Amino acid sequence: NAGVMQNPRHLVRRRGQEARLRCSPMKGHSHVYWYRQLPEEGLKFMVYLQKENIIDESGMPKERFSAEFPKEGPSILRIQQVVRGDSAAYFCASSSQSGGAGEQYFGPGTRLTVT
Amino acid sequence: SQQGEEDPQALSIQEGENATMNCSYKTSINNLQWYRQNSGRGLVHLILIRSNEREKHSGRLRVTLDTSKKSSSLLITASRAADTASYFCATDPGNTPLVFGKGTRLSVIA
Repeated sequence: NAGVMQNPRHLVRRRGQEARLRCSPMKGHSHVYWYRQLPEEGLKFMVYLQKENIIDESGMPKERFSAEFPKEGPSILRIQQVVRGDSAAYFCASSSQSGGAGEQYFGPGTRLTVT
Repeated sequence: SQQGEEDPQALSIQEGENATMNCSYKTSINNLQWYRQNSGRGLVHLILIRSNEREKHSGRLRVTLDTSKKSSSLLITASRAADTASYFCATDPGNTPLVFGKGTRLSVIA
């Protein structure tokens, strides 16, 4: 049973380009969460999705950031017109239960570097 | 803020010693979870303790929860070099996703 998959593991983008991060949840999990982590910091919640629905995007910046979890395929976190401040590790997690009711399984993360 | 706060921020101990990390939070919760993160990796779930539980064990891990003080502790007994990692607590307020603290960086010296 494969765990949460994220790709790419490392992504380098120049300022102004788009970054697209992918996350495939564990088999049977329908709840996906995206987090951002800066060096030496904890995880900051960004968005919580279920299939075809955004449940909570209170942690997502209003501009340039968007997320989706289509009926088929992985969840995508998209950052348009990246800036240096977007450089961070982005983690995806999935769970079989909604919200924080159960444990979350994390992917290995995507490390975004904006040059 | 509902964010859990771990204490201490960093802890360095000798192999074989016990390590204790604390977490405080501000609002009522349904459960509290502890995670471990090795450098450069994703988080790994360690243990979940529900609001009606006071203590839970898993191998060398012991977690306590005091809802009256809004605090939890994670004890790792007989620590090993492989326990070196960052440890995070996460709280479930019930109507929002998990809220993570900033973590405790544990270094176990062989």
